[in-house]
Amino acid sequence: NAGVTQTPKFRVLKTGQSMTLLCAQDMNHEYMYWYRQDPGMGLRLIHYSVGEGTTAKGEVPDGYNVSRLKKQNFLLGLESAAPSQTSVYFCATRDSYEQYFGPGTRLTVT
Amino acid sequence: GNSVTQMEGPVTLSEEAFLTINCTYTATGYPSLFWYVQYPGEGLQLLLKATKADDKGSNKGFEATYRKETTSFHLEKGSVQVSDSAVYFCALRDPRDRGSTLGRLYFGRGTQLTVWP
Repeated sequence: NAGVTQTPKFRVLKTGQSMTLLCAQDMNHEYMYWYRQDPGMGLRLIHYSVGEGTTAKGEVPDGYNVSRLKKQNFLLGLESAAPSQTSVYFCATRDSYEQYFGPGTRLTVT
Repeated sequence: GNSVTQMEGPVTLSEEAFLTINCTYTATGYPSLFWYVQYPGEGLQLLLKATKADDKGSNKGFEATYRKETTSFHLEKGSVQVSDSAVYFCALRDPRDRGSTLGRLYFGRGTQLTVWP
């Protein structure tokens, strides 16, 4: 089992460019989450999904969009990247007991 | 609302020293409490958890006790190792969360631990 994987691991964007981060899971979990991690801020929830075809906003959704077309994949999109979106992005899934995190994507917007 | 406050870091210790990382919480209900650990370059991993008052979570020599009277969940280890160097996050989940926040975790800001040989 690969668990939760994220693609890419690193990316540098210029302001205004777009990109999509991919999260994939092989645990057949319904719930999936996207967090961002910033120094001294802990993890903040961007968007989440409670099942295939559903998405919802979290704590800091502005500037991001998501899609869950397949149960195993949860995509996070940045349509027009801004320097404030420089961060480490973590995807997570959960079962009844805990959340399982991917290894993260480090994104720098210049 | 729900929130988690943990002690500011960084924490630097010598090997075999005693570790305490303080965590207190604010919650509207009776939350489940977690400690996650993040090793360099990796994602978060669940270290231990407790789901009700007076429960003690333990794993890899780490312990934390759910204290409802002080709304705390302090992480302790009797003798740290260099391999324990990581960032530690305290988190809570409110079982009453419904709708837009169902199942989400509320994280503290993280505490960087560095252990020297």
